[in-house]
Amino acid sequence: GNSVTQMEGPVTLSEEAFLTINCTYTATGYPSLFWYVQYPGEGLQLLLKATKADDKGSNKGFEATYRKETTSFHLEKGSVQVSDSAVYFCALSDLRDNYGQNFVFGPGTRLSVLP
Amino acid sequence: SAVISQKPSRDICQRGTSLTIQCQVDSQVTMMFWYRQQPGQSLTLIATANQGSEATYESGFVIDKFPISRPNLTFSTLTVSNMSPEDSSIYLCSAEGQRYTEAFFGQGTRLTVV
Repeated sequence: GNSVTQMEGPVTLSEEAFLTINCTYTATGYPSLFWYVQYPGEGLQLLLKATKADDKGSNKGFEATYRKETTSFHLEKGSVQVSDSAVYFCALSDLRDNYGQNFVFGPGTRLSVLP
Repeated sequence: SAVISQKPSRDICQRGTSLTIQCQVDSQVTMMFWYRQQPGQSLTLIATANQGSEATYESGFVIDKFPISRPNLTFSTLTVSNMSPEDSSIYLCSAEGQRYTEAFFGQGTRLTVV
């Protein structure tokens, strides 16, 4: 079945440091790929997405590129801020029996950014 | 996009009781889902809430424990029945629109069973 693997956290960085959170996936077919962020006490929010190979999703300074050859979708940000402290989930979706989507989430990576 | 309102946002319940969580979407959506997120864990899909028919449950989840309703295209409820401390978790409602768009999430319900 489909699966998503993320680097284990927690990740602790100083403000303005470079961030990479690795994500690799296993899927049949051609899934869409997502990064969701969960701030403390809140639900999940979509951060960015990519729907086909070589697409780059970007939002709020975060970027991730859909790499089919390496089955990866690593999240990067050039300069993190304290407000980026959250849990980040990599996810994929594919068709579920020809209707809707079947989402699979990674285990999440907790990021703490220190001032 | 869709905005999802979920309530209650948190509750503390006695074991053996039941809690119903409501999920309201501000637009008609094709699919609605319920997830459980145990402390420090990722999301586990409980079931797909089907409009006008019985929910479709994932392995390990049963209707008697987690009855779900979906009377229309914008509303669903999840009931956690006969609760035990092991049911303490965050429960998340999710909705999807057309194919290959993102999933939208409610803010979650943090349930503590004592």
